[in-house]
Amino acid sequence: QKEVEQDPGPLSVPEGAIVSLNCTYSNSAFQYFMWYRQYSRKGPELLMYTYSSGNKEDGRFTAQVDKSSKYISLFIRDSQPSDSATYLCAMQLDYKLSFGAGTTVTVRA
Amino acid sequence: DTEVTQTPKHLVMGMTNKKSLKCEQHMGHRAMYWYKQKAKKPPELMFVYSYEKLSINESVPSRFSPECPNSSLLNLHLHALQPEDSALYLCASSQDPSGEYQETQYFGPGTRLLVL
Repeated sequence: QKEVEQDPGPLSVPEGAIVSLNCTYSNSAFQYFMWYRQYSRKGPELLMYTYSSGNKEDGRFTAQVDKSSKYISLFIRDSQPSDSATYLCAMQLDYKLSFGAGTTVTVRA
Repeated sequence: DTEVTQTPKHLVMGMTNKKSLKCEQHMGHRAMYWYKQKAKKPPELMFVYSYEKLSINESVPSRFSPECPNSSLLNLHLHALQPEDSALYLCASSQDPSGEYQETQYFGPGTRLLVL
């Protein structure tokens, strides 16, 4: 069993739709939870970062963490074609990041 | 400013060549990392430098040799690579590797390496 599970998709939505992404994890020791966005042939870009259960909002992006269920989510409201990318969840324990497989999202104009 | 820069952007090398990848950050971060990313896969950790000392080597073959000349620079020296080493090589940095400040990792744009 992988430490972090993420459905690789692909996921295709029309412009303006809500994109819903999620990951589950098995290691209850993970301390911090991140979402990275990676455009094709580019490095990962940090989108959201949280360390506690609950919601965190930043513009059109909302990250949710439920430590009791070992489940994290990312919601993208009013999705735009520019949101088309691969979204990677990552969990951090000390120095080490454990990544999900990444979900490829396409937002159709 | 959360910028990590990497050079070159692209590199093509033969199996007998020696080349180096360079990474630079000016955020005062004291931990720096090398990752390898194959197509449609997440990044895989290779090395961790903590306060300019190598602290983690994830069983990486010796044809990859990291170097940290100072707190802002990280190099990856490449020698006698194999075609299967072709990948995107990513550098990252974070503020404090001890975990006291709990800062996450910021990635550079990567160097796309092709080994012929």
